[in-house]
Amino acid sequence: DAKTTQPPSMDCAEGRAANLPCNHSTISGNEYVYWYRQIHSQGPQYIIHGLKNNETNEMASLIITEDRKSSTLILPHATLRDTAVYYCFTRSQGAQKLVFGQGTRLTINP
Amino acid sequence: EPEVTQTPSHQVTQMGQEVILRCVPISNHLYFYWYRQILGQKVEFLVSFYNNEISEKSEIFDDQFSVERPDGSNFTLKIRSTKLEDSAMYFCASIQESSYNEQFFGPGTRLTVL
Repeated sequence: DAKTTQPPSMDCAEGRAANLPCNHSTISGNEYVYWYRQIHSQGPQYIIHGLKNNETNEMASLIITEDRKSSTLILPHATLRDTAVYYCFTRSQGAQKLVFGQGTRLTINP
Repeated sequence: EPEVTQTPSHQVTQMGQEVILRCVPISNHLYFYWYRQILGQKVEFLVSFYNNEISEKSEIFDDQFSVERPDGSNFTLKIRSTKLEDSAMYFCASIQESSYNEQFFGPGTRLTVL
């Protein structure tokens, strides 16, 4: 799996869009970008994944640059419940183990 | 919505005792995992299990650890002789097939070794 780099922490105001960046400059052609999050003391939760096209689901949007060396997770209207640690991974398929880094601690402020 | 369940939610044990942590993965899932998270640290992979055998394990998963799927529904993690440093949250996860994308995690068991 390619190494990923994320900022250690970010703040966002409630109701605003939260944009979480991830660098994965060594990603290989068959690797997807995955995002998970961990709300305090709970099990990690899958958010979204993508290969090269932008993706959107009910939780978030994923924007992947054309060269695939970085991506941004967007929570369009952040709520207090979105306060969590967000993890970016690159993996070739879903059944591989997850190798967690430190992630980005996102704090949504009222 | 189907979910992974884990029992107990909190286990307190004395150093040197054996503990068994239990997980019930989602029923049609084929791949199973244990992860742990020491307080304040990152989540660490322990072991993956497929087709009734270990498919991968980390350096943490030494001879003191074992996993089992005894009855086709439960997936257990046994620690034979607990140490203080085994105190952590233990998360079970499962995924339906290798081509699927979402690993579903349970709520975790908090293990406290005294």
